[in-house]
Amino acid sequence: NAGVTQTPKFQVLKTGQSMTLQCAQDMNHNSMYWYRQDPGMGLRLIYYSASEGTTDKGEVPNGYNVSRLNKREFSLRLESAAPSQTSVYFCASIPTEGLAGPRAQYFGPGTRLLVL
Amino acid sequence: GDSVTQMEGPVTLSEEAFLTINCTYTATGYPSLFWYVQYPGEGLQLLLKATKADDKGSNKGFEATYRKETTSFHLEKGSVQVSDSAVYFCALSENTGAQKLVFGQGTRLTINP
Repeated sequence: NAGVTQTPKFQVLKTGQSMTLQCAQDMNHNSMYWYRQDPGMGLRLIYYSASEGTTDKGEVPNGYNVSRLNKREFSLRLESAAPSQTSVYFCASIPTEGLAGPRAQYFGPGTRLLVL
Repeated sequence: GDSVTQMEGPVTLSEEAFLTINCTYTATGYPSLFWYVQYPGEGLQLLLKATKADDKGSNKGFEATYRKETTSFHLEKGSVQVSDSAVYFCALSENTGAQKLVFGQGTRLTINP
């Protein structure tokens, strides 16, 4: 299993440009998440998808859209990038409900985004 | 809403020193608690977890005990190694529903030989 994969690893954008960050997992997980990581602020939830076909806003959704394309894939789109969106973006997934005990999230390696 | 507060970093220790990273939380329910570790250039990995009061999570020599009375989940290790240098995140999640994680701000740990 590859686990959670993300593309690209690194991207530079100019203000106003758009781009889509891709995430895929091969663990048959139902729920998937997008976080951003900024210095001194830990990780903050942008959007999540509890199951295929559903998406919900997290703590910091403004300026982003998401698509849960199928059970494996969950993409994050920046329609008009701003310097405030410079960050490291992590995708995560969690095992299926019904398993006993707390379910830890599995994280991808991250996408480092710089908006000039 | 729920929140997690971690000890301010960075923390620098010598090899074989004792480590404590403090973590306290506020939550309306009875969350599960986690410690994640992030090595340079990598994503987050689960280090240990605990699901209810007085549970002790442990892994790779690290331990943390879920203390409901003090709403704490402090991370400890008796003898750190250079390879433990990383950023450590305390986090909580509710046990039902979407299980969204709420993170602390992270603590950067550097171990010198």
